[in-house]
Amino acid sequence: NAGVMQNPRHLVRRRGQEARLRCSPMKGHSHVYWYRQLPEEGLKFMVYLQKENIIDESGMPKERFSAEFPKEGPSILRIQQVVRGDSAAYFCASSPSGGSSEAFFGQGTRLTVV
Amino acid sequence: GESVGLHLPTLSVQEGDNSIINCAYSNSASDYFIWYKQESGKGPQFIIDIRSNMDKRQGQRVTVLLNKTVKHLSLQIAATQPGDSAVYFCAEIGGGSYIPTFGRGTSLIVHP
Repeated sequence: NAGVMQNPRHLVRRRGQEARLRCSPMKGHSHVYWYRQLPEEGLKFMVYLQKENIIDESGMPKERFSAEFPKEGPSILRIQQVVRGDSAAYFCASSPSGGSSEAFFGQGTRLTVV
Repeated sequence: GESVGLHLPTLSVQEGDNSIINCAYSNSASDYFIWYKQESGKGPQFIIDIRSNMDKRQGQRVTVLLNKTVKHLSLQIAATQPGDSAVYFCAEIGGGSYIPTFGRGTSLIVHP
């Protein structure tokens, strides 16, 4: 059973470009969480999705950021018109059900905006 | 507001010592807690969890203690090894939220 798969591991974008981060949850997991981590800091919640539904996006900036988790395929975190401040590590976690269940993380995508 | 925090940002120990990493939480409605280990350049790795109806849970070389009276959580690592060097995060879930909320983390440094 493969773990949570994120790709790419490293992504470099110029200011103004779009960044697409992908997350394939563990087999049998239908709940996905996206977090952002700056160096030397903790993980900040961005968005919580179930298949085809956004459950909670309270941690996601209102502009330029969007997320989806389609019926088929990975979850996508999309950042439009990236700025230098978007540079961070973005982690995805999945769990079999929401709430009190183990959430397993992927290795993250490190986004660098130049 | 409600938050999860850690008392010590850095903990240095000698190989073979026992390590104790602390975490304070303020949301009394939280009912599930998880400890994660994050090595440099990697994603957080699940270590151990505990539910609020327990006050202690043991794993392999690790023990988590939960004191609901003072809203305190600790992770004890026995016979710490250099491979234990990492940042450790506690996360809480509950109070009507399905979202794990993380504290800032404690960096554990194990000296050989």
